[in-house]
Parts: sequence; structure tokens; C-alpha cells
Amino acid sequence: AQSVTQLGSHVSVSEGALVLLRCNYSSSVPPYLFWYVQYPNQGLQLLLKYTTGATLVKGINGFEAEFKKSETSFHLTKPSAHMSDAAEYFCAVSSYTGANSKLTFGKGITLSVRP
Amino acid sequence: EAGVAQSPRYKIIEKRQSVAFWCNPISGHATLYWYQQILGQGPKLLIQFQNNGVVDDSQLPKDRFSAERLKGVDSTLKIQPAKLEDSAVYLCASSLRFRGELFFGEGSRLTVL
Repeated sequence: AQSVTQLGSHVSVSEGALVLLRCNYSSSVPPYLFWYVQYPNQGLQLLLKYTTGATLVKGINGFEAEFKKSETSFHLTKPSAHMSDAAEYFCAVSSYTGANSKLTFGKGITLSVRP
Repeated sequence: EAGVAQSPRYKIIEKRQSVAFWCNPISGHATLYWYQQILGQGPKLLIQFQNNGVVDDSQLPKDRFSAERLKGVDSTLKIQPAKLEDSAVYLCASSLRFRGELFFGEGSRLTVL
């Protein structure tokens, strides 16, 4: 079984401030980890993913995340928030077993950016 | 390259009525997924197709939900009869291959009154 925990439902930061969105996962096998962003009335867009190799992963729009196996975490960061970053962010885990490639999502975090 | 197309974008029905959602994946994508996203929650996988075969439908409420993918391309998700708790956004996603990146459509928002 696999699961994702995203603590809190809403994060608010000032424009130019650090963005930190937390994600912890549970997986019985080596996980693949993802962060997706969802703008209002739109589908989900992949920000970045970790599969194997380097644990610091860089994505689009200046976001990055670090896989920490010992902490079972995959937190998302961005050094300087922009107004256009306001959206909902979902962390997801996938553990591939046989033909099953199910992606399990967290409940999401809404990011607000104050001028 | 055209993205994943879904229709209708919005649907309002009374409980016990039926509804169908359509999805056209990105051309050539073998894997297709239907997710249910209830307000305030993350998307939950309902069913996964590989070509026109079902890989995983363990979380599909089969007493009222059905899905098919004819000829391994388009897919239809049907709910009959609908319940209030089915109010959600139904997202379709596709990937080129198993373990490939998922590309999502804009979703179909269902409101059951």
C-alpha cells in the first residue's frame, strides 16, 4: 500500500518569499514521487518527478524538490514566490508492481501569494 | 500536439439520473486513466486501461460506474444511477507508455442535486 500526507490545506506567502510545501509518503517498495500543480478550472500539470538517481530534482517554473528516504519526505521549494504561483499543489507517489502503475495523490495544498 | 480532450466540461443532474463523460487521449498514448477529484481532496484513481484492456479498476464502484475504451483510443465513463456523493471533477489522463508521464485533461465537473 502507498499513501501521501500533505499537512495543512493552505499556505500563504508574500511575493518574493520562500515557498515550502511539505509532503511525506509511505510506500512498501522504492517510490516514484511527483509534484503536480492545478490552476483553477484546469487539469493537473507535472511540476517535477523523482524516479532514481539524484535526490534533488529541478522542475518547471523554478521549483525543486529533494527526496529524503530517511525522512520519507519529498518537500517542494521555490526560492522566490511569484503571483503566478498561486494554485493548488499535489504530491503523488507511484509504486510500480507488475502492470499496475497507480498514482496515489495527497489531498493538496492551496498556495496563495500576497503582493 | 493536442492535449487530452474531455467533454462535457460541466454537467448538472438530479440524483438517480445517468451521465456519461467522454475522453480522447493524446494520439498514440496507450495508457488511459480516469480519476475522481472530490472538492478538497486529491484525485483518486477509478480505472486504468492499457490499450483497451483494464489494468486496475479496484476503486471503481461497479454497481453504478462503468467505463470502456473501445479500439484502445477514446474512453467513456458512465454513472447510473448517480448519487449526491458522486459530485466531483472527473479527470482523464493518458500516458505514452507504462510508467510514462501522465497528461491530464481539464476535467468534467459533475454536480448531482
